[in-house]
Amino acid sequence: GAVVSQHPSWVICKSGTSVKIECRSLDFQATTMFWYRQFPKQSLMLMATSNEGSKATYEQGVEKDKFLINHASLTLSTLTVTSAHPEDSSFYICSASPPQGREAYEQYFGPGTRLTVT
Amino acid sequence: GQQLNQSPQSMFIQEGEDVSMNCTSSSIFNTWLWYKQDPGEGPVLLIALYKAGELTSNGRLTAQFGITRKDSFLNISASIPSDVGIYFCAGQRTTDSWGKFQFGAGTQVVVTP
Repeated sequence: GAVVSQHPSWVICKSGTSVKIECRSLDFQATTMFWYRQFPKQSLMLMATSNEGSKATYEQGVEKDKFLINHASLTLSTLTVTSAHPEDSSFYICSASPPQGREAYEQYFGPGTRLTVT
Repeated sequence: GQQLNQSPQSMFIQEGEDVSMNCTSSSIFNTWLWYKQDPGEGPVLLIALYKAGELTSNGRLTAQFGITRKDSFLNISASIPSDVGIYFCAGQRTTDSWGKFQFGAGTQVVVTP
């Protein structure tokens, strides 16, 4: 199956600093990746669509200047939370799917990154 | 906001019992996915459905793509303790761009010995 990894798995940062989270597709190339955030006991909320070689598409209500997305290669997308505040503390998860075959119609998630802003 | 209505919100069952949950919507879907999420981890894909009426199994799990294309069901038979977790449905509407899915609120399953 398709494997997606994230790094780091958890991070603690001070308010006002920036944090970068990486999402990698390990055994396939992904021209599109998705970033979600999840609050405790809630469902996944799509934040943005990461497009390789072009600008990310953000969902309504998501600040693009705060959540910077860079999809510089076919296997790597990064999410940078700039000037983080405690309310940004959440579980951030990325997803992607292989370009071909039946799996192209499915989404495979990374293990998630727990961000805590103090 | 969420476009899918997932129910029940939670289930407390005894080991060996069957579990059923469903997702409904007013929209028409062309793909349904069912995931399981353990605490602190990303969702893991359990079953994918692509055609109305499709019935697919994965071990003790069985899921169906509703005939109306507006709903989907997941059944877990003979539950065991490791079935504990949150189950999410995800559907791609005919109007969604590729890869974009709507998610249900999740069904928390608790299995007692």
